[in-house]
Amino acid sequence: AQKVTQAQTEISVVEKEDVTLDCVYETRDTTYYLFWYKQPPSGELVFLIRRNSFDEQNEISGRYSWNFQKSTSSFNFTITASQVVDSAVYFCALIRRNAGNMLTFGGGTRLMVKP
Amino acid sequence: EAGVAQSPRYKIIEKRQSVAFWCNPISGHATLYWYQQILGQGPKLLIQFQNNGVVDDSQLPKDRFSAERLKGVDSTLKIQPAKLEDSAVYLCASTDRGGNEQYFGPGTRLTVT
Repeated sequence: AQKVTQAQTEISVVEKEDVTLDCVYETRDTTYYLFWYKQPPSGELVFLIRRNSFDEQNEISGRYSWNFQKSTSSFNFTITASQVVDSAVYFCALIRRNAGNMLTFGGGTRLMVKP
Repeated sequence: EAGVAQSPRYKIIEKRQSVAFWCNPISGHATLYWYQQILGQGPKLLIQFQNNGVVDDSQLPKDRFSAERLKGVDSTLKIQPAKLEDSAVYLCASTDRGGNEQYFGPGTRLTVT
């Protein structure tokens, strides 16, 4: 069985602060993909990043960065200089390869960025 | 490129009534998914189609939920009869053959009273 845990249910920061969203996963598979999705108030899930289990390089995209550490089964997401528009629910998810591409989601972290 | 379309966006029904949701995936996407997202939780997969065949429906409550994908394109998800605990957002997603990135529609918010 596989599981994704996002221990932080809600985070509140003031604009321009940096914030890190934690994600810990469990899987017995050696080949898998990890994802982060953003769900703004409109409800649509917006894809942010996909990471292959064989690629532990950290990634930066603008104000977003991701830290993948296989040793601790974590895939954390950092927003630098947060903005009000970053307010949303963020989901971490896992897909086992060759398993029908079934996404297993964490419970989500609601991020509130105050002006 | 048009995204995943879903309708209706909102639906309110009484318990024991029936309801149907519609999804049109991104053109050319062979795989279609239906997820249920209960308030405050992450989405949970209900059913996955590859073209018009079911790949995984292990988490679909088959006594009341049914789904079909006509001609491997559009899909409908039906609940009959609805229960209070079915109140949720129903998300449709699609991906092309071999792809891992799922593109999601805006969802249908169902309220059962």
